[in-house]
Amino acid sequence: DAGVTQSPTHLIKTRGQQVTLRCSPKSGHDTVSWYQQALGQGPQFIFQYYEEEERQRGNFPDRFSGHQFPNYSSELNVNALLLGDSALYLCASSPGGHTEAFFGQGTRLTVV
Amino acid sequence: AQSVTQLDSHVSVSEGTPVLLRCNYSSSYSPSLFWYVQHPNKGLQLLLKYTSAATLVKGINGFEAEFKKSETSFHLTKPSAHMSDAAEYFCVVTGDSNYQLIWGAGTKLIIKP
Repeated sequence: DAGVTQSPTHLIKTRGQQVTLRCSPKSGHDTVSWYQQALGQGPQFIFQYYEEEERQRGNFPDRFSGHQFPNYSSELNVNALLLGDSALYLCASSPGGHTEAFFGQGTRLTVV
Repeated sequence: AQSVTQLDSHVSVSEGTPVLLRCNYSSSYSPSLFWYVQHPNKGLQLLLKYTSAATLVKGINGFEAEFKKSETSFHLTKPSAHMSDAAEYFCVVTGDSNYQLIWGAGTKLIIKP
């Protein structure tokens, strides 16, 4: 079992650009959540996808959007990047209805 | 709204001595509570979880936590620290809808040889 996999592991972008991060959930998991972890802080919930729909959203602007595919994999898109978007982006998967989440290694995004 | 407060940003203990990482939560209902560990350059790993069953929860690597509703606390303990325990530890509570996790700011555990 490969667990939750995220790509890429590291990324450097320029302010104003757009970025897409990818996540494959753990086998058997149909729910994907995305978190942003700034340096020295705990993760902050961005949104959760279930059955290809955004089920819940945290306090993040519309520049952050996502998608879930029929195979349950997911993408996180961030438009008009700001310096403050620099963070570790974590994907977590869980089986539907369960609160326990399994995390990937994360994508380290640096905006310059 | 749910919230989590980790009372110490850093905890330093000697190898072989007990570990205590403190966590208080605020919730308008009976939440699920978790402890996660994050080693440098590694993903988050679930240590243990409380989901309204036994109040004393045993986790991996010898860690355990006790849910105390009257004190709204969920402190993490380990009888004897090991060098490999050095990491960042996060206390987590489920949000209003149970779909999101609310995270504490983290406690960095330092193990002295």
